[in-house]
Amino acid sequence: DQQVKQNSPSLSVQEGRISILNCDYTNSMFDYFLWYKKYPAEGPTFLISISSIKDKNEDGRFTVFLNKSAKHLSLHIVPSQPGDSAVYFCAANDPSGNTGKLIFGQGTTLQVKP
Amino acid sequence: ETGVTQTPRHLVMGMTNKKSLKCEQHLGHNAMYWYKQSAKKPLELMFVYSLEERVENNSVPSRFSPECPNSSHLFLHLHTLQPEDSALYLCASSQGQGSEKLFFGSGTQLSVL
Repeated sequence: DQQVKQNSPSLSVQEGRISILNCDYTNSMFDYFLWYKKYPAEGPTFLISISSIKDKNEDGRFTVFLNKSAKHLSLHIVPSQPGDSAVYFCAANDPSGNTGKLIFGQGTTLQVKP
Repeated sequence: ETGVTQTPRHLVMGMTNKKSLKCEQHLGHNAMYWYKQSAKKPLELMFVYSLEERVENNSVPSRFSPECPNSSHLFLHLHTLQPEDSALYLCASSQGQGSEKLFFGSGTQLSVL
């Protein structure tokens, strides 16, 4: 069963508007969450992260919100730009064991229209 | 450029072939990983190496055989693969095995005929 879920496979927004990408998780022990961005023919690149002791982290146009009670996080991109068009992966760190394993969602494809 | 280089970028092989995927990282990291990405599925962790020792094998079939000769290089040896093994294979590295932030290579798109 998937522990990290991105229920929207795709999202389309107009340039300049807000993009909101959502992610749900099932394990309350996850202690760190990350968003990765992937362009075609490239590997995922780290975008932004948040620790479970925080509820918000901001970096320029990107903000991640964490709602632990709902086991939900979201990535807000404001304003959206055509260059933001990519696949966005949510990931959660599983602190059990000693490998620091990241568990990924299946990704959401964002298209920003000019 | 993430500092993690994978070759080849594309690979087509028959089910009886033997091939190897190569990964090299120039970041001075201590941990390296192999991930598999199938269409519309999450990235799946296959193997983790920390300081050249395998620390995790995520129930991967024996037709996939990893090798980590030093902390900068990682290989994935492939033999008698099945068509369902066709996927994007991604290598990643991190500062330590407990580090959450991974640096990925561009991947090898593998097709098994």
